[in-house]
Amino acid sequence: AQSVTQLGSHVSVSEGALVLLRCNYSSSVPPYLFWYVQYPNQGLQLLLKYTTGATLVKGINGFEAEFKKSETSFHLTKPSAHMSDAAEYFCAVRARDDKIIFGKGTRLHILP
Amino acid sequence: GAGVSQSPSNKVTEKGKDVELRCDPISGHTALYWYRQSLGQGLEFLIYFQGNSAPDKSGLPSDRFSAERTGGSVSTLTIQRTQQEDSAVYLCASSLAGGRSYNEQFFGPGTRLTVL
Repeated sequence: AQSVTQLGSHVSVSEGALVLLRCNYSSSVPPYLFWYVQYPNQGLQLLLKYTTGATLVKGINGFEAEFKKSETSFHLTKPSAHMSDAAEYFCAVRARDDKIIFGKGTRLHILP
Repeated sequence: GAGVSQSPSNKVTEKGKDVELRCDPISGHTALYWYRQSLGQGLEFLIYFQGNSAPDKSGLPSDRFSAERTGGSVSTLTIQRTQQEDSAVYLCASSLAGGRSYNEQFFGPGTRLTVL
């Protein structure tokens, strides 16, 4: 069965520091992988996605993620955190029947 | 173009009452999803409609929950005999399943349900 595991329900980083949000998945079909972001009091929006091709994908707001098949991972990174990055981040994977499975989410806190 | 819309945006009800939540997906999107987002609980999958296939109801938490999708477009999530633990934000999303869309989901703003 397909599943997504996000390590750490809360992550705190200092402004300007590296952001690393971890996501591991399991999938019995070629995975499509997604990161969604939910800013406070707003809906979810797509940050980036991996489908085929280049394993390093770039998204909005300076975020990127690397698909590593051997590690079944799709970790989200940003070189330098900004206060406006404070939000909840969800990793997701496509399942066999095209259903999308979400992780539990990681709330990112930015420390001044 | 118009995105996914949901109504009402907020709903306050009394325990034991039935509620209906509505989702209007993006026109032409064949897949529609309902999720529940409770404080600190992340996104909980409820139900998934894909085209004319039988819906995947595996996420519905009890038989008090049901959903339908009429004409492959608008969907209604019904909660009967509401309980306080049903209080949450209910999110709807739609997507073009497969093809070049790669299943990207577009989310509505949600309906915040409060059961007193």
